[in-house]
Amino acid sequence: KAGVTQTPRYLIKTRGQQVTLSCSPISGHRSVSWYQQTPGQGLQFLFEYFSETQRNKGNFPGRFSGRQFSNSRSEMNVSTLELGDSALYLCASSKFFSGSSYNEQFFGPGTRLTVL
Amino acid sequence: KQEVTQIPAALSVPEGENLVLNCSFTDSAIYNLQWFRQDPGKGLTSLLLIQSSQREQTSGRLNASLDKSSGRSTLYIAASQPGDSATYLCAVLNSGGYQKVTFGIGTKLQVIP
Repeated sequence: KAGVTQTPRYLIKTRGQQVTLSCSPISGHRSVSWYQQTPGQGLQFLFEYFSETQRNKGNFPGRFSGRQFSNSRSEMNVSTLELGDSALYLCASSKFFSGSSYNEQFFGPGTRLTVL
Repeated sequence: KQEVTQIPAALSVPEGENLVLNCSFTDSAIYNLQWFRQDPGKGLTSLLLIQSSQREQTSGRLNASLDKSSGRSTLYIAASQPGDSATYLCAVLNSGGYQKVTFGIGTKLQVIP
């Protein structure tokens, strides 16, 4: 069974640009969550999608957005990049949305974004 | 607001030793708690998930316990091996009105051969 895949694995951008990251969940998983990981802040929850609807959102500015397609694949977009957006962006999928106690999350390898 | 703390931040032990990693959380209204390991520069690997109605879960040399009332979880690793070297993170899923997952900063474990 294929795991969660994320593309691209590495990305270098300059300030002011925008970026789109992609996540393909495990087959049969309908919930996709996104996280930002930095050395100083650890893992911070960005948002969660379930059946193409954003169900939960973390405390990030509106420059961070996402969407989910009918096949459960998800994309995350960051506009007007800042130096502080440099981080490892992780995607996780699960069968159930985050309101379920059965919500075991499986993570992808991440996309390493560097903003110069 | 849920806060998750992991102690210690780093741990170095000789191979073969049994060890305990600690996780505490401030809001006991949770759906579940999940333990992960992360190797440098990699994604997270799920180790164990404990639902709020459970007290412990076991997988091989790993045993995780949950005490919701005191806001604590422990991950016990038996007979540690160099391959166990990684950062271990715990994450709680809140059952409050704002349902999201909160992670601890992690415990960096080094097992010395």
